[in-house]
Amino acid sequence: AQRVTQPEKLLSVFKGAPVELKCNYSYSGSPELFWYVQYSRQRLQLLLRHISRESIKGFTADLNKGETSFHLKKPFAQEEDSAMYYCALRVTGGGNKLTFGTGTQLKVEL
Amino acid sequence: NAGVTQTPKFQVLKTGQSMTLQCAQDMNHEYMSWYRQDPGMGLRLIHYSVGAGITDQGEVPNGYNVSRSTTEDFPLRLLSAAPSQTSVYFCASRPGTSGRIYSYNEQFFGPGTRLTVL
Repeated sequence: AQRVTQPEKLLSVFKGAPVELKCNYSYSGSPELFWYVQYSRQRLQLLLRHISRESIKGFTADLNKGETSFHLKKPFAQEEDSAMYYCALRVTGGGNKLTFGTGTQLKVEL
Repeated sequence: NAGVTQTPKFQVLKTGQSMTLQCAQDMNHEYMSWYRQDPGMGLRLIHYSVGAGITDQGEVPNGYNVSRSTTEDFPLRLLSAAPSQTSVYFCASRPGTSGRIYSYNEQFFGPGTRLTVL
């Protein structure tokens, strides 16, 4: 069965420092990986997906199939980046099924 | 568009009571899902539907029922509430294969329902 691991429950960085939120997955097929973000008191929203190779709000994530990782990175953290971040894996042919990691709370301090 | 809406926002139940969490979407999405969010557990899929009249179980279906009589609505029923069902429940929807490719994979989430079972 597929699995998504986010090893850090909480990541605290200073404003302007680089950020890396780790995500590893296990899946035998061809994965589709996503990052979702949940700001305080708001609903979850898609941040980015690996297939479109986009940069959203300065965040990027590269799918590394060799290391089975999809780490989220940003060179300079901003206070408004403070939120809960979830890595998610969608399996091929899995209908609407997304498997989420346990989430990492990012706190950006001044 | 209102997107994905959920009611109620908050609910307190006693053990053994039943209730229905409502979810509706006005985007004509084929796929709808229910997740529960628990500290340290992330989001776990309860049930999902790939279209009207079609539902299937997710990772943690026990104690919950769903139905999908229309494209718009996907209610989640708790048959006999237990304290272990205390959680935040999220409904989500996304277009099916007929959607544009870049919207195909994006799920839209509702605001959540915070449920406490005493």
